[in-house]
Amino acid sequence: GAGVSQSPSNKVTEKGKDVELRCDPISGHTALYWYRQRLGQGLEFLIYFQGNSAPDKSGLPSDRFSAERTGESVSTLTIQRTQQEDSAVYLCASSLTRGGAEAFFGQGTRLTVV
Amino acid sequence: DAKTTQPTSMDCAEGRAANLPCNHSTISGNEYVYWYRQIHSQGPQYIIHGLKNNETNEMASLIITEDRKSSTLILPHATLRDTAVYYCIVSKPQGAQKLVFGQGTRLTINP
Repeated sequence: GAGVSQSPSNKVTEKGKDVELRCDPISGHTALYWYRQRLGQGLEFLIYFQGNSAPDKSGLPSDRFSAERTGESVSTLTIQRTQQEDSAVYLCASSLTRGGAEAFFGQGTRLTVV
Repeated sequence: DAKTTQPTSMDCAEGRAANLPCNHSTISGNEYVYWYRQIHSQGPQYIIHGLKNNETNEMASLIITEDRKSSTLILPHATLRDTAVYYCIVSKPQGAQKLVFGQGTRLTINP
């Protein structure tokens, strides 16, 4: 596909269950970002992958959150033992690594924890 | 990270120019100014970026002050579809640093 693809688009899960969210970046994009956006709020940075460098995990809110990226391809965000406050839209973006390169965002995964 | 300050909300009449200000007084020499917008229920969309010079593309113009401590995004002929939250971000070259979004400006275009 031409853009950043995220799946699933919607996910409803029970409190305490684990969920995996997937992001397929644009081919060739070395940088990949995950954000969380709660209803009516701004984008909250979670984690950033840049090539083979160690990821910047400074935004992960707790140890229940983790993310992986295989090379310069797919990334998975995992939330363990989900809580109701995890309900949000999770957005992924990717970009090239060069001056002035823009980030392209997916449409997000809407997670609802009931 | 350099921080930005934007008004919480703005209104503009359809067909008029929308001028969105942003203060970034602690910007450093190699940091770019980026603008993104988020239309309701969609992922953010890149608009424009600049370093020192003013920039223009098919979507907007970006005016950066000479001291680089502030900038203005200009939508020359606003339409109803331009209603969105607009984010001003200061960052090193894209991909070399995480993007940190503030609260942005909620722009409403009125008919």
